[in-house]
Amino acid sequence: SQQGEEDPQALSIQEGENATMNCSYKTSINNLQWYRQNSGRGLVHLILIRSNEREKHSGRLRVTLDTSKKSSSLLITASRAADTASYFCATDEGAYKYIFGTGTRLKVLA
Amino acid sequence: GAVVSQHPSRVICKSGTSVKIECRSLDFQATTMFWYRQFPKQSLMLMATSNEGSKATYEQGVEKDKFLINHASLTLSTLTVTSAHPEDSSFYICSALQRTGAQETQYFGPGTRLLVL
Repeated sequence: SQQGEEDPQALSIQEGENATMNCSYKTSINNLQWYRQNSGRGLVHLILIRSNEREKHSGRLRVTLDTSKKSSSLLITASRAADTASYFCATDEGAYKYIFGTGTRLKVLA
Repeated sequence: GAVVSQHPSRVICKSGTSVKIECRSLDFQATTMFWYRQFPKQSLMLMATSNEGSKATYEQGVEKDKFLINHASLTLSTLTVTSAHPEDSSFYICSALQRTGAQETQYFGPGTRLLVL
């Protein structure tokens, strides 16, 4: 069964704006990962955040994790057309099994 | 981060043939690997857990005779789609579990796109 759910399902913004995507999950996790997937392409690992971490940065990416609310957010600052892709969160529900969310389709307009 | 590769990245085959997909952990040993599939515009669904030296554990609804998994070494797991049919066309992604001391992290491969004609 799917655990992670991204919100919104689709997001369209102008180049230069910030994009925020949220992920909610249901059970306790050890860590949460965010991935990007361009249309028809493979997964690209963005950030891994562990359950004892609250925020991580990587370049223009900022990920937060709120274990009390069972939610995470991915912020892309100063978005570019090349950021257009689907973004997934993946949570491990123990026993090493990762559950992927349904994804947010981000479209950045030039 | 750790690197996981898959081969081939794309494969087109005729209905009824078998297709083998390889998943390799390039710079670490992985006793546990996982196979996922993704249908268009949908999320990834776990198919099975592959354990080195033992039988794979399949998720409910996944036919083990259809999707043969072999984890013969600590860096290689293979998924064979037997007698493939058009409905097996999908994106197959593997992941490998890295254990570093007390820390365990799963890393995903880039995926293999299978098209069955």
